[in-house]
Amino acid sequence: DAGITQSPRYKITETGRQVTLMCHQTWSHSYMFWYRQDLGHGLRLIYYSAAADITDKGEVPDGYVVSRSKTENFPLTLESATRSQTSVYFCASSADLNSPLHFGNGTRLTVT
Amino acid sequence: GENVEQHPSTLSVQEGDSAVIKCTYSDSASNYFPWYKQELGKRPQLIIDIRSNVGEKKDQRIAVTLNKTAKHFSLHITETQPEDSAVYFCAGGTSYGKLTFGQGTILTVHP
Repeated sequence: DAGITQSPRYKITETGRQVTLMCHQTWSHSYMFWYRQDLGHGLRLIYYSAAADITDKGEVPDGYVVSRSKTENFPLTLESATRSQTSVYFCASSADLNSPLHFGNGTRLTVT
Repeated sequence: GENVEQHPSTLSVQEGDSAVIKCTYSDSASNYFPWYKQELGKRPQLIIDIRSNVGEKKDQRIAVTLNKTAKHFSLHITETQPEDSAVYFCAGGTSYGKLTFGQGTILTVHP
């Protein structure tokens, strides 16, 4: 679905650096989500947002910060990247909690 | 919170055979169970879902069954084709926004 885009697609950063992953959707969906995908763990929810200026923690929020000043954007920031945050990150959106999730193409982050 | 276990982690079948992937969940309050397919390097995509008021749902070669008493649900793919090769994830929760995903099953369909 071209309506949700993530950038960058690939990112390599060093331990201790701050890095921000971007997510933009064009559907005006209320809900947006950040997941990380690791082998053996499936997809785990990091943070989600029900609307602009409303965010909440998911299953694995430690080390991450989110904001949602505009409905269409939901950036994810790693304030001080660690090797354990090497992962594939997926952003998703949905119109409401009873509507399907639409995933972005993912960002593969490597922390060296 | 919810815990979803998925088995097997890998599944290899011959083209034309059936494939079955099973998941169990822990939270009896969960009432929504979607299945996602993820091809290599691509995003997860919803292929079928089932709600707890339904025991079975079919969509062409794909079916999902739910046993609420035993807290398990399964994905059945019949007449498998090479393009069915992918990673399949089950999930459970009370809504799309409250999903816990299984660990994934790598399905390989050999021509």
